[in-house]
Order: sequence, then structure tokens, then C-alpha cells
Amino acid sequence: SQTIHQWPATLVQPVGSPLSLECTVEGTSNPNLYWYRQAAGRGLQLLFYSVGIGQISSEVPQNLSASRPQDRQFILSSKKLLLSDSGFYLCAWSPVTGKSYNEQFFGPGTRLTVL
Amino acid sequence: RKEVEQDPGPFNVPEGATVAFNCTYSNSASQSFFWYRQDCRKEPKLLMSVYSSGNEDGRFTAQLNRASQYISLLIRDSKLSDSATYLCVAVRASGGSYIPTFGRGTSLIVHP
Repeated sequence: SQTIHQWPATLVQPVGSPLSLECTVEGTSNPNLYWYRQAAGRGLQLLFYSVGIGQISSEVPQNLSASRPQDRQFILSSKKLLLSDSGFYLCAWSPVTGKSYNEQFFGPGTRLTVL
Repeated sequence: RKEVEQDPGPFNVPEGATVAFNCTYSNSASQSFFWYRQDCRKEPKLLMSVYSSGNEDGRFTAQLNRASQYISLLIRDSKLSDSATYLCVAVRASGGSYIPTFGRGTSLIVHP
């Protein structure tokens, strides 16, 4: 069966510090991978998605970047955090099946507080 | 206009009640649709896909109306454990990938 891991679970960082969040998927190959942010009381905002190694697409301009150095590894980074980067960061994967129904499966998330 | 809109609620219902949520989407290119459930401070979990002909999974029924661009979720015989936020999702194809757009969610509180 497939599992998705994220770490750390919680993080408190000062403004201006760097960020690196990691997500790994097990039990599947060549998944589509996604990073989301959910700010307090708000919906899920898609930040980045990836269809393969080294292939990253960004949905919104922001202070963050993403990389996919391996097939099942997705990393979210920032060089200098802003207060507005606080939120619940969720990684998700979906299988590439060729059918239009591609359910997403989420990791447990990282709760980031920028002070 | 938001791409996917939901009534945030909360819907406050007694155990055993039937409750329905609606969700509208603005992008007519959306191809597939889902309902997710999110418990407080947890990740969303897939509840069910939404098929064009409508589909049922136990106490849950999902419907899609492409002409009016809305999807619905009906929960029968509500349980206390159904209390959560329900997110609807519309997915469109883009450059070989599938791009989901989530609504902000509808909060359900089931009380004894």
C-alpha cells in the first residue's frame, strides 16, 4: 500500500530564516506530487505541483520554491520566511492512471508558525 | 468569483438528521470532482468521488449537475462522528497534469 510522509510535524521559525519541508511517498512510482498551504480559517491553496523529477509548476507567485530531486521526494523551500508564510503545509500525491479521476492522498502536514 | 464556492456553515444538526451540502464551480473545463473530509487540525481525507450519474456510499450520496455547475453531498442518519469540515474539489486538466481546486469547506456539527 502507498504511504506519504511529511516532516517535521510542527515548526516555529523566525522571520527571515530559511525553510525546508520534505515529503516522501512510498509504494508507488511516478506519482503527481502537490504542495498546498492552508492558512488559519481558510481553504487549501495549491502552491506547486510536479509530474516528474525536476518538473515543477507554480500556481501562484510567492516567497517559496519547490524541488523534486527524486521520483518520490518533494521539497518545499524558502530562503527568507515572511510572517505571511505561516500556515498548515500539506503534501499530496495522486496516481497517474490515464483516467480523469485522480484522487489525491494527503500527508499529515507541517504546521509552520513564523514569528 | 471564487473558482469553487461552498457555504461555510456551520450546519448544526441533531443525530439522525439528513443534511445536504452544495458546492458550485466556475470553470466549465473541470473534469472530475470529489468530496473530502477534514477533521480539526488534520489532513483532508478522501470521502468519495462524484460521478456524472450520481453515486452512493453507505449513508453518503454525491450528485453532479454539469449544466448548472454544482455538486452536492447528502448525508443521511447523521452520526456524531460525521462532525467535520467537508471540502469539495473540482479538477481540471492542464499540461499533462490534473489541477485540483478546493473549496473552503462546509463545517458540520452533529449534536446528541
